[in-house]
Amino acid sequence: AQSVTQPDIHITVSEGASLELRCNYSYGATPYLFWYVQSPGQGLQLLLKYFSGDTLVQGIKGFEAEFKRSQSSFNLRKPSVHWSDAAEYFCAVGAGGGSQGNLIFGKGTKLSVKP
Amino acid sequence: SAVISQKPSRDICQRGTSLTIQCQVDSQVTMMFWYRQQPGQSLTLIATANQGSEATYESGFVIDKFPISRPNLTFSTLTVSNMSPEDSSIYLCSVASSGTGELFFGEGSRLTVL
Repeated sequence: AQSVTQPDIHITVSEGASLELRCNYSYGATPYLFWYVQSPGQGLQLLLKYFSGDTLVQGIKGFEAEFKRSQSSFNLRKPSVHWSDAAEYFCAVGAGGGSQGNLIFGKGTKLSVKP
Repeated sequence: SAVISQKPSRDICQRGTSLTIQCQVDSQVTMMFWYRQQPGQSLTLIATANQGSEATYESGFVIDKFPISRPNLTFSTLTVSNMSPEDSSIYLCSVASSGTGELFFGEGSRLTVL
């Protein structure tokens, strides 16, 4: 069955420290992979996406993610976290193309940033 | 990208009542999607709304409980019927990029059922 696992429910990092949020997926075909961020009281905003090509993708707000097919992973990273990065982060996988809307989301990782 | 507006942004409702959520997109789209995010949980697709046809519901969701309208290419409504406290969730409207499957989301409608 198709699934997305985000093993860390809650992570706390110090401002300025590096960050890595883990995401593992199970998907039968070549996946389209996404990271979304949800700030409190807000909808979801796309951080970055991977469809093909270079396995290291750059996103907005200084985030990047690396697709590792052998590990079925798509971990999100940021070299230096800012207090405004405190939010919930969702990894998602889908079939992509056309107007496919059925993305499968992980349960999210809540990021707290301490001064 | 698409700009998606949802109304209401939040509401508190009584058990047994129904509430209709509106979703407006700033461009014409073929399909619109309704997701539910229960407290502390991830997003689950409720249904896909196509203009001019009945919505397609995912397993576990039925039309009687979540009737959907799609009168034109920029607008859709989701009704949560006969609400119970278990329906307390954030309901999100979304549209997909035609080429990539990337989803754009509205800010959501947070429902609390007492």
